[in-house]
This record gives sequence, structure tokens and C-alpha cells, in this order.
Amino acid sequence: KAGVTQTPRYLIKTRGQQVTLSCSPISGHRSVSWYQQTPGQGLQFLFEYFSETQRNKGNFPGRFSGRQFSNSRSEMNVSTLELGDSALYLCASSSRTGDGYTFGSGTRLTVV
Amino acid sequence: EDQVTQSPEALRLQEGESSSLNCSYTVSGLRGLFWYRQDPGKGPEFLFTLYSAGEEKEKERLKATLTKKESFLHITAPKPEDSATYLCAVQALVGSEKLVFGKGTKLTVNP
Repeated sequence: KAGVTQTPRYLIKTRGQQVTLSCSPISGHRSVSWYQQTPGQGLQFLFEYFSETQRNKGNFPGRFSGRQFSNSRSEMNVSTLELGDSALYLCASSSRTGDGYTFGSGTRLTVV
Repeated sequence: EDQVTQSPEALRLQEGESSSLNCSYTVSGLRGLFWYRQDPGKGPEFLFTLYSAGEEKEKERLKATLTKKESFLHITAPKPEDSATYLCAVQALVGSEKLVFGKGTKLTVNP
């Protein structure tokens, strides 16, 4: 069965721009989480969605936002990009809590 | 605040040389402890979930164990293809269902 699909794989943006990343979870998975991975901080939780509702949000500024659609696909948006937003953004989906989260390959965002 | 500390940060082994990776955690009630493997440029690949102290799980050359304060990932007779970063994460029983990750152990197995 198809895994978690994230698009695009790579992205280069300029400071001040905004960006939208997309995630298609495994078919049947209704929970989608987003994480930011950097060499210094490791993986940090951004937010989690379940059935189109944001259930949890990490300690990130309001420039980071997301949403989930009725087909469980999710998008995250980062506005007014800063150099420090350069990172690997990972999406994970799960059928239910504690059942193991399957991660996508990530979107590598570079802000210049 | 939930925390995960992994040690060592990096580990070099010769092929066939068994060793263990450590994951120490503090969490306000453990729902689950997760082990992942991550290869460069890829997302984490799920290995195991452990739920309670004393639980053990095995997969090929890997065996994960859990106590009330830490988890170990034992690697028996590793091969070069086991080279990767191994990540440990915890999920709390109450509150947010997020995973709190350690910074990982980068394992290199030389032939």
C-alpha cells in the first residue's frame, strides 16, 4: 500500500515569502502530524490534525499554520519566511494513537 | 516537561560487533515509547513501539527493551546496512499526543 506522500521534495524560497507544503496520508489514516527537523534541534512537533480538526499545536510562532481536508490530506503554511525556517518538514500519519506513526520522506525547505 | 535523551550521539562499530543504544526519558505517564531508524535524506522509518516496563520486541538484528526510565536498542552482529540514525520518541498518556524525540544516535557499521 502507498506510504505517506509529501510534495514538493525540495523547495528554495526567499526571506519574506510564504510557502505551502502538502501531505497525503496512508489511505484510511485520519491523524496527520507535522514535525520540523533541524540539525541543532532535532525533530520538533508542529501540529496534529484529526478529522479536519487541529488537536494539538507545538511551540512555534503563528507564522506556522496548517489544515486538514475531508479526505485527510493536510497542508502546512509558513508565512514571512525567515532563514531559521530552513529545515526538513516531515509529515506523519496514523490510524490511531499509539499505533505507530508512518512518516513521509519530507520536504527540504531552504530559505535564502 | 517531557524529555528524551539519547546516548551516545555517535557510535562506530565493526561488522559483527554487538552493542546497545540508550534512550532515557521523563514523561508524565507513558503511553508509548517509539524507536525509528532514519537514513540520510529520508523520513524516519518505524521500528518498534513499547508500552510498559519489561516489554521487549525484536526485529531481525534489533531488540528493544523498556524500563520505567529508559529503553535500550540492542544491535546484534550488525551489518553495514544497519548504518543509520536511530531515533527514540515518547508519547505521554495524557495531554498532547505529540511525539517527543531525542536527538538520535548516529550508527556507523564498518565492513
